[in-house]
Amino acid sequence: VQLVQSGGGLVQPGGSLRLSCAASGFTFSRYSMNWVRQAPGKGLEWVSYISSSSSTIYYADSVKGRITISRDNAKNSVYLQLDSLRAEDTAVFFCAREYYESSGYTRFDYWGQGTLVTVSS
Amino acid sequence: QSVLTQPPSASGTPGQRVTISCSGSSSNIGSNSVNWYQQLPGTAPKLLIYSNNQRPSGVPDRFSGSKSGTSASLAISGLQSEDEADYYCAAWDDSLFWVFGGGTKLTVL
Repeated sequence: VQLVQSGGGLVQPGGSLRLSCAASGFTFSRYSMNWVRQAPGKGLEWVSYISSSSSTIYYADSVKGRITISRDNAKNSVYLQLDSLRAEDTAVFFCAREYYESSGYTRFDYWGQGTLVTVSS
Repeated sequence: QSVLTQPPSASGTPGQRVTISCSGSSSNIGSNSVNWYQQLPGTAPKLLIYSNNQRPSGVPDRFSGSKSGTSASLAISGLQSEDEADYYCAAWDDSLFWVFGGGTKLTVL
């Protein structure tokens, strides 16, 4: 299982960026995916969730309206579109696979390497 | 301000047993399972404990987890220098989002 991220970088306040996470080593279309971010020196913050078929999507209140999650199962990839970026969005963004057990319990079992988004003028 | 509450730091000497607590509420820990993640400096988090007390393949049995009511704990026995890392608890919240603890920085003295 591998999750390889790309698309981070420096962007001005108010700008946009698209993050990508390419999956390999498993049947991508069977798994839900999430994005989690970590501001410099801070803890982990969940950002967004997308179900395997894209039928269900959730966002954290802190990013709702400014972030869009999507996926392309034919390309084994999940994306995060970041718009109207603010300085406080500066963080390392991680994609993570969500694994469901038959019990209903769920966990993030594989993570991407992370990609840094810096919002600064 | 994280939804789940963890102590910001913990420490122990090699060979000791250390516990890290995680406190939540009825909508998250109280009604869903708890997972723990270990993050070494400059790396992505790694799943350490899932479903309250299960270890993924490859995680030493020195690591154990438990849950009671709206709280959970991670215990590390036989502390080793390579255990020095940040530890995060996480749980699904019934308000339709994942929540994490603020993280605990473990120092091996």
